[in-house]
Amino acid sequence: NAGVTQTPKFRVLKTGQSMTLLCAQDMNHEYMYWYRQDPGMGLRLIHYSVGEGTTAKGEVPDGYNVSRLKKQNFLLGLESAAPSQTSVYFCASARYTGELFFGEGSRLTVL
Amino acid sequence: GDSVTQMEGPVTLSEEAFLTINCTYTATGYPSLFWYVQYPGEGLQLLLKATKADDKGSNKGFEATYRKETTSFHLEKGSVQVSDSAVYFCAPLIKAAGNKLTFGGGTRVLVKP
Repeated sequence: NAGVTQTPKFRVLKTGQSMTLLCAQDMNHEYMYWYRQDPGMGLRLIHYSVGEGTTAKGEVPDGYNVSRLKKQNFLLGLESAAPSQTSVYFCASARYTGELFFGEGSRLTVL
Repeated sequence: GDSVTQMEGPVTLSEEAFLTINCTYTATGYPSLFWYVQYPGEGLQLLLKATKADDKGSNKGFEATYRKETTSFHLEKGSVQVSDSAVYFCAPLIKAAGNKLTFGGGTRVLVKP
């Protein structure tokens, strides 16, 4: 059971570079989410999707873009990375609101 | 505004001790309530949930009761093990937040042998 898979697991960027995080789920879930986790701040929602072709802003969307072209994939893009975006990023999917399945996380460092 | 307050950690316990992690929320409406757990180096996973007043969620020896009158959902375990060392997150599903989970800041629990 793959569940929710995130790639890459680790990445180091220089300020101003761009990158894309890929999230893939094999559970046929409608809902998908991107969170960031920072020390002492819990999880904060960046963007989410309630179905293929839809996206919406979460709590901290600035500096990020997302796409959900296929139901099983949810991409998170950083257009111009900044040190403030150094964080651990988690993708999650859900069939029912509230019952989330999380990936293992992607640790991003921006120098 | 709508929010969740979770006790700060870290909480350090000896094996077989009793664990309580407090969680209270403010919300207009009647949210479903969840506890998630994050083991070291992993993503979060659902531990238990409750959807209406007086419901008791339970899993892996953990319990939490939905207390509408005190807007609380405290997590308890009677006898912790070293393997329970993790970060625990309270998360109400608040409709005013777009019917999305609002995570508390997390409580780190360390159980020593």
